[in-house]
Amino acid sequence: AQKVTQTQTSISVMEKTTVTMDCVYETQDSSYFLFWYKQTASGEIVFLIRQDSYKKENATVGHYSLNFQKPKSSIGLIITATQIEDSAVYFCAMREVVSSGSWQLIFGSGTQLTVMP
Amino acid sequence: EAAVTQSPRNKVAVTGGKVTLSCNQTNNHNNMYWYRQDTGHGLRLIHYSYGAGSTEKGDIPDGYKASRPSQENFSLILELATPSQTSVYFCASGHWGGAGEQYFGPGTRLTVL
Repeated sequence: AQKVTQTQTSISVMEKTTVTMDCVYETQDSSYFLFWYKQTASGEIVFLIRQDSYKKENATVGHYSLNFQKPKSSIGLIITATQIEDSAVYFCAMREVVSSGSWQLIFGSGTQLTVMP
Repeated sequence: EAAVTQSPRNKVAVTGGKVTLSCNQTNNHNNMYWYRQDTGHGLRLIHYSYGAGSTEKGDIPDGYKASRPSQENFSLILELATPSQTSVYFCASGHWGGAGEQYFGPGTRLTVL
């Protein structure tokens, strides 16, 4: 079975600095998809960024980027120039196919990020 | 803008009562999902559907039923609610054949007394 592990339960950083959140995964699939989601204090869960395993380039969206290290089964989320509003819980997730055309996401336990002024 | 909405947003129910949580999506996605989120457990999949008329069991289906009467609507039903089902429930949708992104509703906070 696939598994996603986030070992950092909480991180605090100063505003405008760069932070990296770690995530490791387990899968037997040769091709797979990895995701990062953000859950705000209001509870809203927002999709941030995706990495396709067959792509060598690290995905980047705005001030979010990924550090994909396939040999280590690792997908880190990097947030540059952090802002107060980046304070949230960040979840790593992996797609698991459950039947033809249908899939589910396996989520890690999340990392609480606090950005301080 | 495409969206996933849930109703009610908050619900207080009594033990043994029937609870129905509703979800509507305008993303035109085939796949829909129900999760619950509890402290210490993250997001756990209860039921999912890959189209109107279909429902499938997720990782923790016991005590829950699901109904998908149309592409847009997906309901989660607690026939006999128990205090252990007190949680925050999220609905999500995703495109069949896509890479896997899911788009979440705002959540429903359910308290069973």
